[in-house]
Amino acid sequence: GDSVTQMEGPVTLSEEAFLTINCTYTATGYPSLFWYVQYPGEGLQLLLKATKADDKGSNKGFEATYRKETTSFHLEKGSVQVSDSAVYFCALASSGYALNFGKGTSLLVTP
Amino acid sequence: GAGVSQSPSNKVTEKGKDVELRCDPISGHTALYWYRQRLGQGLEFLIYFQGNSAPDKSGLPSDRFSAERTGESVSTLTIQRTQQEDSAVYLCASSLTRTPTYNEQFFGPGTRLTVL
Repeated sequence: GDSVTQMEGPVTLSEEAFLTINCTYTATGYPSLFWYVQYPGEGLQLLLKATKADDKGSNKGFEATYRKETTSFHLEKGSVQVSDSAVYFCALASSGYALNFGKGTSLLVTP
Repeated sequence: GAGVSQSPSNKVTEKGKDVELRCDPISGHTALYWYRQRLGQGLEFLIYFQGNSAPDKSGLPSDRFSAERTGESVSTLTIQRTQQEDSAVYLCASSLTRTPTYNEQFFGPGTRLTVL
């Protein structure tokens, strides 16, 4: 069945460091890929998405490129801020309606 | 505008008791979803509503779990005879229609259920 694997956290970075959170997937067909973020005390929010191979999703300085050849959708940001501290979830939708989520990666950015 | 709201935010119950979790979706959203997140795990899909109908109940973990939606609005997830393994955060989401590729799912803050 479909699945998403993302790197385990927690990830701790200093402010202005470069961030990469790895995400790989297994799916039949051509899934759409998503990154959701959950800030402390808040609900999950869509951060970015890509619907076909080689698409790049971007938002708030975060980027992820849909790589079909490596079945990956790694999240990157060039310079993280303390306000980026949150839990990040990679997800896919291969058909229908439900999202298939990874386990989440906790990010802590220190001043 | 108001987002998805869930109540209660926290629920502690004793094993064997029944619990009801409520979700108020964004007004006008026809699709509603329930997910569960156990500690250290990803989100598991439980059930999906289109309008008041649930075309897919395959994610419900057992017959102790049921859900309903009325008025194409509020949804209630009921867990009967709770077990300790039911302890989790239960998340509700809504979207304009189904098809997550084109219709963002908006999530509520969740209900944290603890079964003692």
